[in-house]
Amino acid sequence: LAKTTQPISMDSYEGQEVNITCSHNNIATNDYITWYQQFPSQGPRFIIQGYKTKVTNEVASLFIPADRKSSTLSLPRVSLSDTAVYYCLVGETWGYQKVTFGTGTKLQVIP
Amino acid sequence: DTEVTQTPKHLVMGMTNKKSLKCEQHMGHRAMYWYKQKAKKPPELMFVYSYEKLSINESVPSRFSPECPNSSLLNLHLHALQPEDSALYLCASSQEGDPSAFFGQGTRLTVV
Repeated sequence: LAKTTQPISMDSYEGQEVNITCSHNNIATNDYITWYQQFPSQGPRFIIQGYKTKVTNEVASLFIPADRKSSTLSLPRVSLSDTAVYYCLVGETWGYQKVTFGTGTKLQVIP
Repeated sequence: DTEVTQTPKHLVMGMTNKKSLKCEQHMGHRAMYWYKQKAKKPPELMFVYSYEKLSINESVPSRFSPECPNSSLLNLHLHALQPEDSALYLCASSQEGDPSAFFGQGTRLTVV
């Protein structure tokens, strides 16, 4: 299983764009990159998933360079409600396999 | 229905008690998971069920006993727990090839 490395914590002001980078040097060919958001005492919530290049949905963008050894989650114009822990996961799509969480990044949005 | 429902939300139990955590989903997912999460730590995988059969046990102590009675239900039976087992227990489900897994809100367990 590919190991992921993320910054432990980040601070950002409201309204700014936030970029959280995840390193996954030993990503395998079949692995996807998935990001989850977790608020205190709640279950993680799927944000976005990608395999290569760029993926965008209504809440975030995911940038993956050609070598796929890292990825960047981009949150546009964050608000206080985006304060949470963000986890980067690497593995084959969910289903009958072991999926492990890395340490995550604690994002604190400041007014 | 895109929810995973866990009950109870909170549970306090003594070290000699027997209790069960329940998880239910009606999304037709055939894989279900139990995770344990300690404060300020990432979730740790405990068990994986696929098609109602236990496929992965992450060397979890026998005082935790999972059960999958049918494709929609997942139980975690607890017996003779220790105070260090106090944590948030999360259930999740997914379908093969699906890009996302759905998590429940968790059961906050306190062992006294």
